[in-house]
Amino acid sequence: GENVEQHPSTLSVQEGDSAVIKCTYSDSASNYFPWYKQELGKRPQLIIDIRSNVGEKKDQRIAVTLNKTAKHFSLHITETQPEDSAVYFCAASGGPGGGADGLTFGKGTHLIIQP
Amino acid sequence: DTAVSQTPKYLVTQMGNDKSIKCEQNLGHDTMYWYKQDSKKFLKIMFSYNNKELIINETVPNRFSPKSPDKAHLNLHINSLELGDSAVYFCASSHRAGANVLTFGAGSRLTVL
Repeated sequence: GENVEQHPSTLSVQEGDSAVIKCTYSDSASNYFPWYKQELGKRPQLIIDIRSNVGEKKDQRIAVTLNKTAKHFSLHITETQPEDSAVYFCAASGGPGGGADGLTFGKGTHLIIQP
Repeated sequence: DTAVSQTPKYLVTQMGNDKSIKCEQNLGHDTMYWYKQDSKKFLKIMFSYNNKELIINETVPNRFSPKSPDKAHLNLHINSLELGDSAVYFCASSHRAGANVLTFGAGSRLTVL
């Protein structure tokens, strides 16, 4: 099955600086890579996703890059703000089962924005 | 108009008891899931149902039994609760199995004493 590794587990940055979270995956057949944000006590919510036919996708201050050859993808947040503080999860899906195996999540990154 | 709703939100019970968590989605999605989030925040899939049929059953003790009466509902019944079952259980749904956006419920925090 798919295995997703995520680093770092905790990331502390100054407000206004950029944050980068990196993930690697094991199943070369995976073709869908979403990122979820989970605020304290809340549900995970999708913030951005990328499919394997695209190398980069951007949505305002958030961008995701994908390197299929190396099997890694990254989340970039620029001009960080206090409300960006949360746990971020990467995930991968779409393996040989025709995508029937659901999302495999990384272990999460606790992003702390220092004022 | 909550898209994925699960009840109860909090559940505190004694070891050995049996409990159920209910989940309903009004998005018209074909696939529903149960995820477990432990104290370290790790999200792990437990079960997946597509149109009422089980398609994923990860290595979960058989004390956990999902039931899907129709494609809008996926309930989770847990027998003989153990301390290690304490976690937040998230229900989720997607338009189709895999490779698709998951919409999560608000979670059900289970505490076993």
